[in-house]
Amino acid sequence: NAGVTQTPKFQVLKTGQSMTLQCAQDMNHEYMSWYRQDPGMGLRLIHYSVGAGITDQGEVPNGYNVSRSTTEDFPLRLLSAAPSQTSVYFCASKKDAGNQPQHFGDGTRLSIL
Amino acid sequence: SQQGEEDPQALSIQEGENATMNCSYKTSINNLQWYRQNSGRGLVHLILIRSNEREKHSGRLRVTLDTSKKSSSLLITASRAADTASYFCATALTGTASKLTFGTGTRLQVTL
Repeated sequence: NAGVTQTPKFQVLKTGQSMTLQCAQDMNHEYMSWYRQDPGMGLRLIHYSVGAGITDQGEVPNGYNVSRSTTEDFPLRLLSAAPSQTSVYFCASKKDAGNQPQHFGDGTRLSIL
Repeated sequence: SQQGEEDPQALSIQEGENATMNCSYKTSINNLQWYRQNSGRGLVHLILIRSNEREKHSGRLRVTLDTSKKSSSLLITASRAADTASYFCATALTGTASKLTFGTGTRLQVTL
């Protein structure tokens, strides 16, 4: 089982550029989410989705956009990259909105110059 | 804002010793989860404990939850070098089982 797959693994952008971080899961999970991890801080929730066509904001949504057109995919878009968005981004999924563990991808390491 | 705070921030022990990590949180929770993160990798789920549970075991792991003190502890018994990693607690607030708030983590180093 592939689980949660994130692409790319590394990316360098210039300030103002846009890009999409890809996330796909093959476990038929309803719930998917995006986090960012910065040094000295825990993971912070950016956006989440409880099912196809449904998304909502997390703790730090500004500067990011998401959509959920299929159950499998949950891309994260940076609209106009800023140095403050330099971080490691993790996608996670779980079966549904109940009490279950989340399954994480290996992350995308993003640097904004 | 950080809901969970782990203590200590770093812990160094020898193989075979037990490792205890603590997590404190601020508001009522639905569940509390512990995750492990190896360097450069994603998080791996260890244990989920619900707010009405007090203790859970999984292999060499034991998690306790004290909702009156808003705290949890993770005990790893008979540690191994392979346990070297960062450990995070995450809380799902009352009313949601899904939106997690993570602590800053404990870095565990197990030496031979």
